[in-house]
Amino acid sequence: EAGVTQFPSHSVIEKGQTVTLRCDPISGHDNLYWYRRVMGKEIKFLLHFVKESKQDESGMPNNRFLAERTGGTYSTLKVQPAELEDSGVYFCASSQVLLTPSEQYFGPGTRLTVT
Amino acid sequence: LAKTTQPISMDSYEGQEVNITCSHNNIATNDYITWYQQFPSQGPRFIIQGYKTKVTNEVASLFIPADRKSSTLSLPRVSLSDTAVYYCRTYNFNKFYFGSGTKLNVKP
Repeated sequence: EAGVTQFPSHSVIEKGQTVTLRCDPISGHDNLYWYRRVMGKEIKFLLHFVKESKQDESGMPNNRFLAERTGGTYSTLKVQPAELEDSGVYFCASSQVLLTPSEQYFGPGTRLTVT
Repeated sequence: LAKTTQPISMDSYEGQEVNITCSHNNIATNDYITWYQQFPSQGPRFIIQGYKTKVTNEVASLFIPADRKSSTLSLPRVSLSDTAVYYCRTYNFNKFYFGSGTKLNVKP
């Protein structure tokens, strides 16, 4: 069974540019999560999809971040325009039905560097 | 606001038992506690999860005292391949709070 995949693995962009990160969850997983780890800090929750619906986006830092999950399959996270403080590693995770806290499977992350 | 804190790093030797403690003083009644392992260039990997008392699986044990304000991940007889960053995480009402991670360095 394929795990959670993320693309690209690393992105270097200039301040003001736009970047789109992609996450493909494990097939059949309705729950999809985005997290971010800024250098030296803890992993922080960004948002949670259940199928194509945003269940909770309270962790999104500001309106420069836009997440979508059209069709309830893969998800994209767009940062526009990127700022220096957006640099970090962005993780995606997926899980099955959320009756109790179920095991989340994480992707390898996308390392974003904004210069 | 739930907050988890854990030691920044720990050293151990092969074959020893390692215990990593995480503090979560503001844990809520419905929170679960989960521990993850992360290797460089990989995402966190689930190790174990619990709510109270003790949980054991094939790779680790998790001890949670009655007040649930802390939890201890116990790794029996570590090997060099257990060198990684270990995160504790609490979960409450669809909100997840990770600790900053403990970098475990296992020496020969």
